[in-house]
Amino acid sequence: AQTVTQSQPEMSVQEAETVTLSCTYDTSESDYYLFWYKQPPSRQMILVIRQEAYKQQNATENRFSVNFQKAAKSFSLKISDSQLGDAAMYFCAYRSGDSWGKLQFGAGTQVVVTP
Amino acid sequence: NAGVTQTPKFQVLKTGQSMTLQCAQDMNHNSMYWYRQDPGMGLRLIYYSASEGTTDKGEVPNGYNVSRLNKREFSLRLESAAPSQTSVYFCASRAVPQAPNYGYTFGSGTRLTVV
Repeated sequence: AQTVTQSQPEMSVQEAETVTLSCTYDTSESDYYLFWYKQPPSRQMILVIRQEAYKQQNATENRFSVNFQKAAKSFSLKISDSQLGDAAMYFCAYRSGDSWGKLQFGAGTQVVVTP
Repeated sequence: NAGVTQTPKFQVLKTGQSMTLQCAQDMNHNSMYWYRQDPGMGLRLIYYSASEGTTDKGEVPNGYNVSRLNKREFSLRLESAAPSQTSVYFCASRAVPQAPNYGYTFGSGTRLTVV
């Protein structure tokens, strides 16, 4: 079974600064997908970014980028130019390439943005 | 608006009572999922339905049953609620099994308290 580990329960960042959230995973598979989801206080789950394991290029979505290190099984999220609206719980998630779409989530990292 | 609709949004049950959480999607998605979210544990899969007419256990199925009533609806039933089932429950859907890694849509969650 795959496991996803987020070792930072909480991270604090000032507005306009950069914060990096860590995520490691354990798998013996070669075909899989990785995700970062944002959950604001509204509880809504919002997809931030996704990465296909077969792609070497790191995914980027505006101010959000990942550092995907396949050999190290590491998938960190960098939030640049942090904004107050970035404050939320962030979940790392894994999906096997041959599973029926089941997502395995990490425990989450709470991001606090200070003015 | 297209999406995943969960009802109810909040519920308080007494130990031993039963109830059904309802989930419906109007995006013609094939796969549907039920997750529970507990503090410090992320989201864990309870049951999933890869397609209409099929259901399978996830990581934490004990104490729950599901029904995939039709392509749109996937309900979660607690036959005899226990305090350990106090949680926030999320329903999600996705377009097709083993489709590209994007396309998950989550409902807004049901906060269930068992006293």
